[in-house]
Amino acid sequence: ETGVTQTPRHLVMGMTNKKSLKCEQHLGHNAMYWYKQSAKKPLELMFVYSLEERVENNSVPSRFSPECPNSSHLFLHLHTLQPEDSALYLCASSQGQGSEKLFFGSGTQLSVL
Amino acid sequence: DQQVKQNSPSLSVQEGRISILNCDYTNSMFDYFLWYKKYPAEGPTFLISISSIKDKNEDGRFTVFLNKSAKHLSLHIVPSQPGDSAVYFCAANDPSGNTGKLIFGQGTTLQVKP
Repeated sequence: ETGVTQTPRHLVMGMTNKKSLKCEQHLGHNAMYWYKQSAKKPLELMFVYSLEERVENNSVPSRFSPECPNSSHLFLHLHTLQPEDSALYLCASSQGQGSEKLFFGSGTQLSVL
Repeated sequence: DQQVKQNSPSLSVQEGRISILNCDYTNSMFDYFLWYKKYPAEGPTFLISISSIKDKNEDGRFTVFLNKSAKHLSLHIVPSQPGDSAVYFCAANDPSGNTGKLIFGQGTTLQVKP
């Protein structure tokens, strides 16, 4: 148990659906992240939030929309996704945005049909 | 182009022997390196790290070596145990900008056979 909880663990959606991924951290951290892991590829940073403000958007398509209502919660809203968006989506948190050590959730395995 | 590379997608070793996982990087400005371990259906967990001012860091059975001139680091596990079977990710901290961004390799799957 890393202190970072993600739901759902698995998600199957059609290309016209709208869904949201949720992440909650119980560590008192100030920074939260969304990463994408595709098969046999490195983890790719998608978004970084520090003190609820977005500080980085790593050229992610607009069909992915993050939301950080407070320092403990992070959402990733999904709409009109493509099959190539199928991947493991990992949430992480850290003490501060400059902290090297990340604590990851278990991820949401997303399949887009 | 990938800045952090783990060229071996998989490694198999016998229980009790040494496991050596390798990682190469391209940017000499990286100042901190980490290894994460990932079991199936779980997120990566931090294993061990090393600052660029050091060349070795040890924690129990795990030792990380850093060769800055070669831009290479390695993780040694001695002795290897079946519970060490997992995917190991190397990561480097990019100090440019203000986000403290970690750049990950693609991972090496380690299998330790009983």
